[in-house]
Amino acid sequence: DTAVSQTPKYLVTQMGNDKSIKCEQNLGHDTMYWYKQDSKKFLKIMFSYNNKELIINETVPNRFSPKSPDKAHLNLHINSLELGDSAVYFCASSHVSGSFYGYTFGSGTRLTVV
Amino acid sequence: EDQVTQSPEALRLQEGESSSLNCSYTVSGLRGLFWYRQDPGKGPEFLFTLYSAGEEKEKERLKATLTKKESFLHITAPKPEDSATYLCAVGSGAQKLVFGQGTRLTINP
Repeated sequence: DTAVSQTPKYLVTQMGNDKSIKCEQNLGHDTMYWYKQDSKKFLKIMFSYNNKELIINETVPNRFSPKSPDKAHLNLHINSLELGDSAVYFCASSHVSGSFYGYTFGSGTRLTVV
Repeated sequence: EDQVTQSPEALRLQEGESSSLNCSYTVSGLRGLFWYRQDPGKGPEFLFTLYSAGEEKEKERLKATLTKKESFLHITAPKPEDSATYLCAVGSGAQKLVFGQGTRLTINP
């Protein structure tokens, strides 16, 4: 009964490869997010989708492409991986309305590029 | 630009030694001040939301307060299991959370 689940939990890959991370939520939330947490534990937003529509696209290299097939799923595809992409990537979901209820986070995907 | 600064970066306490964590923020249109707890290898876990200055919320040994410029997370008589990184974030009109860098709290038995 995991609320926000991400796969895989760990991902080790070589520079130049293409990889994907999957995220699913069963909370009935209408908005999903990708955050990146660097080595200093700083969480920074990358993308958000509301009902499959991209609403936030921060300054992220276009090697990163999110895809939302439905409002319960948000995947992140990364092309031509670089050493600097190594980080923990968190998926989150929320219900966005007049009030802001904050997020429920997944457990993260630790990406290591070698 | 929305900004959140947390202090201290790290705090080490003895079991039972009360203290406070600080979160200073600047935001255009606050839609909530959030506190999360993060354990190693896990995602942030929601603790509190505060929406207006003067509001307070409590949960076990934790109490969060909010002013117009900052929030405090007070920890009373902490136990070793309270050891974690505590993250503060503000919700803005852009429908996103902007996080601080966190305070790494260690409680020694």
